Amino acid sequence: NAGVMQNPRHLVRRRGQEARLRCSPMKGHSHVYWYRQLPEEGLKFMVYLQKENIIDESGMPKERFSAEFPKEGPSILRIQQVVRGDSAAYFCASSPPSGGSYNEQFFGPGTRLTVL
Amino acid sequence: DAKTTQPPSMDCAEGRAANLPCNHSTISGNEYVYWYRQIHSQGPQYIIHGLKNNETNEMASLIITEDRKSSTLILPHATLRDTAVYYCIVRVDGNTPLVFGKGTRLSVIA
Repeated sequence: NAGVMQNPRHLVRRRGQEARLRCSPMKGHSHVYWYRQLPEEGLKFMVYLQKENIIDESGMPKERFSAEFPKEGPSILRIQQVVRGDSAAYFCASSPPSGGSYNEQFFGPGTRLTVL
Repeated sequence: DAKTTQPPSMDCAEGRAANLPCNHSTISGNEYVYWYRQIHSQGPQYIIHGLKNNETNEMASLIITEDRKSSTLILPHATLRDTAVYYCIVRVDGNTPLVFGKGTRLSVIA
């Protein structure tokens, strides 16, 4: 059973370009979370999605950032007009549908975004 | 903001038990204690969780005080590969985001 997959693992963009980060959850998982880790800082929650729905986007910057989790295909985190401050590691996590005694989140290896 | 307090760093000799403390004095009755770790720059890894009883799995043991205001993660025989940042997190059951604090950087020394 493959784990959470993220691609690309490394992404380099120039200021003003768009960055698209992809996350394929574990098989059977319908909940996806995105976290950001700035250099030398802790992980910060960004957005929580279920298939075709954004459940909680309280951690998302108000501008330039968007996320989706379509019915088919991976979850996408999109950053428009990137700036140097967007340089960070972006982690995706997935969890199974509700109903279990707890909901452990399984993390992917992350995408390291560098903005030149 | 994180509802937990952890020491910023700890050292442990290889082969010895590593005991990582966590204070969560404002924990609510329906909140669980979760532990994750992050090895170098990898994605965080789930270790263990508990509500009020002590828990043990193949990775670690979790000891929660009777008043639930603090807990200790125990790695019984630490190895060099256990060197990581360990995060103690309190959260309600169900699908909710994880709120990471600064964690404890554990260094296992040969």
